[in-house]
Amino acid sequence: GAGVSQSPSNKVTEKGKDVELRCDPISGHTALYWYRQSLGQGLEFLIYFQGNSAPDKSGLPSDRFSAERTGGSVSTLTIQRTQQEDSAVYLCASAFDRGAFFGQGTRLTVV
Amino acid sequence: ELKVEQNPLFLSMQEGKNYTIYCNYSTTSDRLYWYRQDPGKSLESLFVLLSNGAVKQEGRLMASLDTKARLSTLHITAAVHDLSATYFCAVDSYQLIWGAGTKLIIKP
Repeated sequence: GAGVSQSPSNKVTEKGKDVELRCDPISGHTALYWYRQSLGQGLEFLIYFQGNSAPDKSGLPSDRFSAERTGGSVSTLTIQRTQQEDSAVYLCASAFDRGAFFGQGTRLTVV
Repeated sequence: ELKVEQNPLFLSMQEGKNYTIYCNYSTTSDRLYWYRQDPGKSLESLFVLLSNGAVKQEGRLMASLDTKARLSTLHITAAVHDLSATYFCAVDSYQLIWGAGTKLIIKP
């Protein structure tokens, strides 16, 4: 596709359940970022993939969070045993040499 | 550690006025980006600044980059209500480092 695609766009889950968020980046973009954004706040960095290099996981808030990027393309962010404080919009962005292009985000609500 | 500081973080202004948002960063970089975010929406790329002295303009917005001063500015000319949004700058170091955002409210 022409842009970054994220799915689902909205996800409501029960506390303690696992969720998977998907990101399809722009074809050919070597870099992929995951961010979290709470209402009215800035971007909280989660994880960064660049080509075949080891990902920068320094922003993952706990070991309940993990992400992978298969074949240098699609990425999945997994949150295990979700907590209410995980509720936020999760944004994915892919980048090449002209900055990042964002998906529309996944709004996660943990009830 | 690379830091990116935007100021102001909040700006309320009248239509027709001019104002500037500043983006300071703490390490060498010659790539800087500006984004706009409307409430409930994702981020949209506004400007890509790739060298010292770069200046880009789109409508009432103009962005510039001074890599020696480690400073970028986003200037708003004769503001209109439709420019109300949150504006982010991001510096390209080994990865993108983001400012906290400037929430801009333009009153009719």
